[in-house]
Amino acid sequence: QKEVEQDPGPLSVPEGAIVSLNCTYSNSAFQYFMWYRQYSRKGPELLMYTYSSGNKEDGRFTAQVDKSSKYISLFIRDSQPSDSATYLCAMSGYSGGGADGLTFGKGTHLIIQP
Amino acid sequence: NAGVMQNPRHLVRRRGQEARLRCSPMKGHSHVYWYRQLPEEGLKFMVYLQKENIIDESGMPKERFSAEFPKEGPSILRIQQVVRGDSAAYFCASSDRDREDGYTFGSGTRLTVV
Repeated sequence: QKEVEQDPGPLSVPEGAIVSLNCTYSNSAFQYFMWYRQYSRKGPELLMYTYSSGNKEDGRFTAQVDKSSKYISLFIRDSQPSDSATYLCAMSGYSGGGADGLTFGKGTHLIIQP
Repeated sequence: NAGVMQNPRHLVRRRGQEARLRCSPMKGHSHVYWYRQLPEEGLKFMVYLQKENIIDESGMPKERFSAEFPKEGPSILRIQQVVRGDSAAYFCASSDRDREDGYTFGSGTRLTVV
């Protein structure tokens, strides 16, 4: 079993729809959870950064973490064609200063149809 | 703030040559991380450095790969005697000590070995 599982898609939805992206993980030591957006041939761009379980909202984006189920989600409201990209979940088990690298999912390719 | 700067953006090397990839972290960030992204694969952690110290190199191949982050100047990822399997996108990320804002990625260096 891979540490982080993420459906690669592609996921195609009409403009204005609510998008739901998710990842499951197996390592219970993960405490910090992130979502990145990556446009083709560009670097990942941090969208959301959460610690432990709970919800976090930022504009049209909402991140949810359920540590008991080892499941994280990213919701995008009022989706726009400019949201079309690959969305990567990432997680780590250490706080600042620790020896740690992020573990990424493979990414979900999202297409918003105009 | 120029963000994380990586250069070159594209690098072509013949088999057996050396590749040097450079990364300047964001202003105020003292932690640098290198990741590799192979085609159809997720981002894989390689190494985590602070100034003049390698903190975690658990993701680095044992041979031909090395990294440094000197007191002055950018972090360098060095690949000796490159092979075709080294062709990938190499991303650098940086963070502050407490990672309060997560990790910021550069635009990457795309290495092609011919």
